[in-house]
Amino acid sequence: AQTIHQWPVAEIKAVGSPLSLGCTIKGKSSPNLYWYWQATGGTLQQLFYSITVGQVESVVQLNLSASRPKDDQFILSTEKLLLSHSGFYLCAWSLEGASAETLYFGSGTRLTVL
Amino acid sequence: AQSVTQPDARVTVSEGASLQLRCKYSYSGTPYLFWYVQYPRQGLQLLLKYYSGDPVVQGVNGFEAEFSKSNSSFHLRKASVHWSDSAVYFCVLSARDTGYQNFYFGKGTSLTVIP
Repeated sequence: AQTIHQWPVAEIKAVGSPLSLGCTIKGKSSPNLYWYWQATGGTLQQLFYSITVGQVESVVQLNLSASRPKDDQFILSTEKLLLSHSGFYLCAWSLEGASAETLYFGSGTRLTVL
Repeated sequence: AQSVTQPDARVTVSEGASLQLRCKYSYSGTPYLFWYVQYPRQGLQLLLKYYSGDPVVQGVNGFEAEFSKSNSSFHLRKASVHWSDSAVYFCVLSARDTGYQNFYFGKGTSLTVIP
């Protein structure tokens, strides 16, 4: 069965410090991968998506970057955190070509920037 | 342009009462529609999905949704809610445009079930 694991579960970081969040998908080959951001009590904003290793598309500019170093791994990072980066980060995968391409989410990382 | 509207930001119902959460979508093609639930401090879990066939689809935990092409709607229903159903519910439209599958989220409806 496929599993999606996000790490860390939560982070408290200082403004201006670097950040790296990760996501690993097991049990699926060549999934489409997504990063979403959710402000407290808010809706989901798609940040990045990737359809293959080494290829990442940015959807919104939030002074964040993403990379896909391996087929099953998606990394979200920044060199300098802003207060506005606080929120809940969700990784998700889907399988292209499925009859109804469906998003499956990880359990998320809660980020607090102080 | 594709979009999803959930007109009710918050809904409060009594335990045991019936529930309907509304969702309207805008898309000229064949929509794939989903309902997700998000419990506090957790990721989103798939409740149900529609992509063809019977317009009434069954999901987990007694939830169902009805697709209406004429009304561009995909309302979520449950006959009798339980306190554990308190959560945020998202309606999502999936559409293949710009060459890949895009997912459009509603703003969510926060459901509170009171004893």
